[in-house]
Amino acid sequence: GAGVSQSPSNKVTEKGKDVELRCDPISGHTALYWYRQSLGQGLEFLIYFQGNSAPDKSGLPSDRFSAERTGGSVSTLTIQRTQQEDSAVYLCASRPPRTGPGDEQFFGPGTRLTVL
Amino acid sequence: AQKVTQAQTEISVVEKEDVTLDCVYETRDTTYYLFWYKQPPSGELVFLIRRNSFDEQNEISGRYSWNFQKSTSSFNFTITASQVVDSAVYFCALSARGNKLTFGGGTRVLVKP
Repeated sequence: GAGVSQSPSNKVTEKGKDVELRCDPISGHTALYWYRQSLGQGLEFLIYFQGNSAPDKSGLPSDRFSAERTGGSVSTLTIQRTQQEDSAVYLCASRPPRTGPGDEQFFGPGTRLTVL
Repeated sequence: AQKVTQAQTEISVVEKEDVTLDCVYETRDTTYYLFWYKQPPSGELVFLIRRNSFDEQNEISGRYSWNFQKSTSSFNFTITASQVVDSAVYFCALSARGNKLTFGGGTRVLVKP
């Protein structure tokens, strides 16, 4: 079946512009994560959605970052007033229902964001 | 706070050699889960193996095996008889109450023919 998909695959933007990154999780998966992979910080957690519960936003680096998940499926990560340090690969992952922290997360191919 | 350390940044081997990747973790939780993920050049993270904190039995799955030792907080991973297709970055990760994965810095493995 289809895996996690992300769009765009690459995004180049100018400093100060807003960007939106999209994640389509595997159909039926209730848990959705965003991670960021950068040279300086490695792979780091950003935000976690589980069903209708309030998201865990503890990994968002600043208030310029926000994310939403509509209808329990597609998620959009928005970065406002982008900075050069936001340049990274943004990875989305999802997990099936009735699973927990000990279960596999399925990752998408990522969106490579470059801020000039 | 949770922390995962992969001291080896890069390992280079010749095909058919065994490769052991080191992973040391820190957590105050008594229930936790350890993972190894592979990131090939395509970029997508691929799940390899998982172990929970209550099960220290070491296992072998095909060419993969792992050694989990709670006494030393280590979760090492071995690829036996390496192949060129094993060339990738390998990440050790920890998950506990927070549901999120905490990753190590990754070890790049280069298998030369």
